[in-house]
Amino acid sequence: NAGVTQTPKFQVLKTGQSMTLQCAQDMNHNSMYWYRQDPGMGLRLIYYSASEGTTDKGEVPNGYNVSRLNKREFSLRLESAAPSQTSVYFCASSAVGGGAAKYEQYFGPGTRLTVT
Amino acid sequence: AQSVSQHNHHVILSEAASLELGCNYSYGGTVNLFWYVQYPGQHLQLLLKYFSGDPLVKGIKGFEAEFIKSKFSFNLRKPSVQWSDTAEYFCAVNGRTGGYNKLIFGAGTRLAVHP
Repeated sequence: NAGVTQTPKFQVLKTGQSMTLQCAQDMNHNSMYWYRQDPGMGLRLIYYSASEGTTDKGEVPNGYNVSRLNKREFSLRLESAAPSQTSVYFCASSAVGGGAAKYEQYFGPGTRLTVT
Repeated sequence: AQSVSQHNHHVILSEAASLELGCNYSYGGTVNLFWYVQYPGQHLQLLLKYFSGDPLVKGIKGFEAEFIKSKFSFNLRKPSVQWSDTAEYFCAVNGRTGGYNKLIFGAGTRLAVHP
């Protein structure tokens, strides 16, 4: 089991360029998430996918789009990168169903993105 | 609004010192609480969790946390820290908004342990 994987690990973009961050999980989880992590601000939810075919906005969705390609994969796209999007991006997944276990999230290794 | 507050942003300790990191939450429903750890350059890993039952929860690497409902707190403790505990620690509480389940994270506490 690889858990949650993310590509790329590092990326440098110029302002206005676009890119897609890839995420995949092999735990048969239904729910997947994209966060950004900035110093002193913890993790902020960008987008969420409760199940294949559904996506919803989180706290900070502006400037991003997502695609839930299938149950395993959830990608994050920056259409026109801005310096304010310099951050570390984490993908996570969780199981669904009754009980508290649905809140437990498993994280990928992160993508460190710099926009100049 | 749901929120998590971690009082200490930076903590510096010597090896063998005791550790307590504060976490307070604001959430009106049934709480499930988590502590995650992020070692330098790595992703977040679950340290321990509280769902129900005994409010004193033991996690990996000698960490424990106590849920005190009356104080809305879930503080993380370790009796004797090691250099390898240098990391950033995040407290999180469950929430539910707009029909989906989510975790609300605190801003994190960066712990540095000196040999």
